[in-house]
Amino acid sequence: AAGVIQSPRHLIKEKRETATLKCYPIPRHDTVYWYQQGPGQDPQFLISFYEKMQSDKGSIPDRFSAQQFSDYHSELNMSSLELGDSALYFCASSLAGTGGSYNSPLHFGNGTRLTVT
Amino acid sequence: RKEVEQDPGPFNVPEGATVAFNCTYSNSASQSFFWYRQDCRKEPKLLMSVYSSGNEDGRFTAQLNRASQYISLLIRDSKLSDSATYLCAVREGYQKVTFGTGTKLQVIP
Repeated sequence: AAGVIQSPRHLIKEKRETATLKCYPIPRHDTVYWYQQGPGQDPQFLISFYEKMQSDKGSIPDRFSAQQFSDYHSELNMSSLELGDSALYFCASSLAGTGGSYNSPLHFGNGTRLTVT
Repeated sequence: RKEVEQDPGPFNVPEGATVAFNCTYSNSASQSFFWYRQDCRKEPKLLMSVYSSGNEDGRFTAQLNRASQYISLLIRDSKLSDSATYLCAVREGYQKVTFGTGTKLQVIP
């Protein structure tokens, strides 16, 4: 079965540079989530999109922005990178459906490991 | 106080043992609950959803106690391959899913 695809798998950037992470959700999934996981930390919710509209926002810095496109893929744009942005970034997708499904679990991609030097 | 809390462990148990983890959540309006397993530097993988009446999947049993605001995961007959970090996840509204800090399990031969 098709899974969530993230690219790139690894990314090395310098301070103050910009990075773009991409996510392709499971086909027919209508909701995309972005999480940041630092070393030894739990995944921290950044932002989510439902049917291409931002649906919820967590602890996402103002330097970051995200969007979901017409083909449902999503991109996380990170500017003015700081050393503390080094982390694993996960994208997840789920199927909420038109009626909304509170019980639909998240399915995660393999993640992008961002290292800021 | 974190919205979703877990004992970080580690829980070191011998093969064949039964081990239980709890996870407490602070938002009484939370809608749905999940257990995930995460291996080192890999993505979280869904272990099971947690239903109100409790549910079982092989050696794994999940339960929900809404009155006390916690969920639990019971693993019977632990295998070496069960060694991982177990994350509970709570959907608080329509979208946002919050994860606990994870409980590390090490199954010892």
